[in-house]
Amino acid sequence: SAVISQKPSRDICQRGTSLTIQCQVDSQVTMMFWYRQQPGQSLTLIATANQGSEATYESGFVIDKFPISRPNLTFSTLTVSNMSPEDSSIYLCSVGVRGLEQYFGPGTRLTVT
Amino acid sequence: SQELEQSPQSLIVQEGKNLTINCTSSKTLYGLYWYKQKYGEGLIFLMMLQKGGEEKSHEKITAKLDEKKQQSSLHITASQPSHAGIYLCGADKTDSWGKLQFGAGTQVVVTP
Repeated sequence: SAVISQKPSRDICQRGTSLTIQCQVDSQVTMMFWYRQQPGQSLTLIATANQGSEATYESGFVIDKFPISRPNLTFSTLTVSNMSPEDSSIYLCSVGVRGLEQYFGPGTRLTVT
Repeated sequence: SQELEQSPQSLIVQEGKNLTINCTSSKTLYGLYWYKQKYGEGLIFLMMLQKGGEEKSHEKITAKLDEKKQQSSLHITASQPSHAGIYLCGADKTDSWGKLQFGAGTQVVVTP
């Protein structure tokens, strides 16, 4: 299994500001992903964080709004830019090893006022 | 795109009783994951199924994937208060391993 930590665990931010969320894994992993869970909803994949290259975004998500970095095989960041109340969600990172389980971090609960 | 339907949406079960949650796809499932989520927290990995007819168990939880790989079920035997939470099924998107699409979730309440 993989142990994943996220910082911050929660934050309250003002409209128009940005927040960077960190995801740290206790071992090197090939695949890292970022998900969003809006209130009362299920999880939606935002993007795949690729080490050494640009992230791959899912339909409906763009780099200007959700820039992602992946400087090495154990760490990634997701920035939520120019926030609005609609960005209030839980943001989760996940890691996977091909053919095996996928694990999720504890999540970052973001509230935008 | 692949749609995952979970049923029931919620259920209330008396402690000690069994419960079953279903997850159905319109397309073949290449990898089916079950997770448990406590309110507002991260996802706890339960089980992953890949092969048609596969069945896995851990403690009192059993998950199955049918032969056609389009339906999975999660069964909890003799439920306990610790089983309360939201259960989510997720499946690999057909074109890319590791990118999961999730069902809407099933909220489980266990009463004394």
